[in-house]
Amino acid sequence: EADIYQTPRYLVIGTGKKITLECSQTMGHDKMYWYQQDPGMELHLIHYSYGVNSTEKGDLSSESTVSRIRTEHFPLTLESARPSHTSQYLCASSEWAGNTEAFFGQGTRLTVV
Amino acid sequence: AQTVTQSQPEMSVQEAETVTLSCTYDTSESDYYLFWYKQPPSRQMILVIRQEAYKQQNATENRFSVNFQKAAKSFSLKISDSQLGDAAMYFCACLRAQKLVFGQGTRLTINP
Repeated sequence: EADIYQTPRYLVIGTGKKITLECSQTMGHDKMYWYQQDPGMELHLIHYSYGVNSTEKGDLSSESTVSRIRTEHFPLTLESARPSHTSQYLCASSEWAGNTEAFFGQGTRLTVV
Repeated sequence: AQTVTQSQPEMSVQEAETVTLSCTYDTSESDYYLFWYKQPPSRQMILVIRQEAYKQQNATENRFSVNFQKAAKSFSLKISDSQLGDAAMYFCACLRAQKLVFGQGTRLTINP
């Protein structure tokens, strides 16, 4: 079983609130990813990191921000949540080598009311 | 831009039969990696099979195999002897320059 954890699993929050979705892995992986999964199940890459102090935006524009201060931790923050942010957020990590698999967390289902 | 396209939103197959899921990708790089992932209902995404672009031989993992056509940028997944536990969303993915990008997914239903 993969050692990558996301908290919370479910979150219902009001519009305008600041939220942080947590993602931690204990495998020492350099690469970490955040995906937004829409109701149709399509996965959109919103942020990725290939090491401490490196973060990059993905293909889907997102109002969220990320940080990578420690190898094992890759939190995602929304400064002011809106109903359009309602979605499933998946975190993943992998080793540096190209052909290694990515391990996924169980996801955070966010609902903004 | 790097894109991955799965043109079959849904597929169904009879138990014990064979099914093929399609995937095409677009990248200008010569160094990349391809994957198929499976997401069972309410469960975590897991790797099914992987293929290095520089390898001509198609990858095989038990009942799962791929048909990798590099010139056509095609990467299909064949599931043989389908089982009820194979029911899931299947995602094709391409890794290039540290970015792991997924296709839209195909929902596979297994009919008993």
